Parts: sequence; C-alpha cells; structure tokens
Amino acid sequence: EAQVTQNPRYLITVTGKKLTVTCSQNMNHEYMSWYRQDPGLGLRQIYYSMNVEVTDKGDVPEGYKVSRKEKRNFPLILESPSPNQTSLYFCASSLSGTSGRTGELFFGEGSRLTVL
Amino acid sequence: AQSVAQPEDQVNVAEGNPLTVKCTYSVSGNPYLFWYVQYPNRGLQFLLKYITGDNLVKGSYGFEAEFNKSQTSFHLKKPSALVSDSALYFCAVWGYSTLTFGKGTMLLVSP
Repeated sequence: EAQVTQNPRYLITVTGKKLTVTCSQNMNHEYMSWYRQDPGLGLRQIYYSMNVEVTDKGDVPEGYKVSRKEKRNFPLILESPSPNQTSLYFCASSLSGTSGRTGELFFGEGSRLTVL
Repeated sequence: AQSVAQPEDQVNVAEGNPLTVKCTYSVSGNPYLFWYVQYPNRGLQFLLKYITGDNLVKGSYGFEAEFNKSQTSFHLKKPSALVSDSALYFCAVWGYSTLTFGKGTMLLVSP
C-alpha cells in the first residue's frame, strides 16, 4: 500500500529534550516536505526537499532541522524543543517538485507533539 | 510570494443542497491550484487540481472547482452535499517549489 508513515503519532516531551520525528514514504517520491498545523493558522511549511541531499527552508524553519540522506526518509529534528513548537506535524511527499504532478502531495497521518 | 485566502472559517449547508467553499489566490505567473480535504484525526487528502485548460475541473467524491482568472478565485463546489462531506477543506497554490495553503474552511453538512 502506498503510504507516508510518521512516527511517533503522539509525543509529550519537555523543553530542551532533543527529539526526532521520522517520516518514510514507499512511493519512490522525489519531493518531501514537513508542515505544521495550528488552529487558525492552517498549514505552514517548515522544510522541503526536492531530492536526496537537497533541502530548503519553508516559511517557519526556526528551531527545526531536517536531513535527506535517502530518498524514502525525511526526518524532522527538534534540537531543543520549546512550548511554541507544540503542534500537529505532517510529512508529505510528491512524485516530483517540477513535473506535471507537482503539488499532488500524499500526507502522513500526523504527529501530535506537546512540549511542556 | 504566493498566498491563499479562504474568507469563511465555516460553511453550513443542509444535506442535498449545493455547496460552495470560497478561495482566492495570489501568485506570480500561471497558477497551479489545489483543493485538499482533512477528516478528523487524519492527514490531508488531495481532491482536485487546476493546472491549465478547462476552467471547471472535476475531482474526487463528486467535487468540482471553478477557476476564474479575472477574479483570481478557485471556488470548490458540489451539486448535492452529503453529511459525510463534513470536514476541513484547504485551498492551496503551488509556487517556488512549495505548496502554500489557506487557513482552511470547516464544512458542516446537516442531515
């Protein structure tokens, strides 16, 4: 089954404790992206990756890091989480960032993160 | 930079009636426009897109959207709403290698 898998789905942590949210897709997609969803703000892009070893900042990259060492994986790293990073996070992938299928994103189920 | 506006936080409609969810956009060049739906506790699902061609595009679950270049709008429509259509709907525009979303419109369909 074609899917984007995120883990963990739910996490409660404390300020400053490093954490990683993993994201994996099994569709051989080139393009991957992270979004955060907050009430009244919609979805805002954190980082994206056009392909392996190519990443770039989205609208709200502060406090986050990403890496794209393999095509299928795109982990989101919070080096020192703060309460303002409490949010619902979505990983998404697309066949390509430049082809006619541009913008047709497949989303994971989301990871709800609470930072105390 | 591109942007999307969804002027209604919530749209209420009775089952069987037509529905419209509004969206306006701003982007340089030709627009690539999308609608996504989010059901409770789920990720977003692609509904339909406009890239070029016919201004009326058809998508999943009987939804369609009308592109209007002069009004920079891309409204989502369905001729007859179902209770199961109740969800959060997002309009989005592609540009600069990113998909920019509106804030979302909650659609509530009453029996």
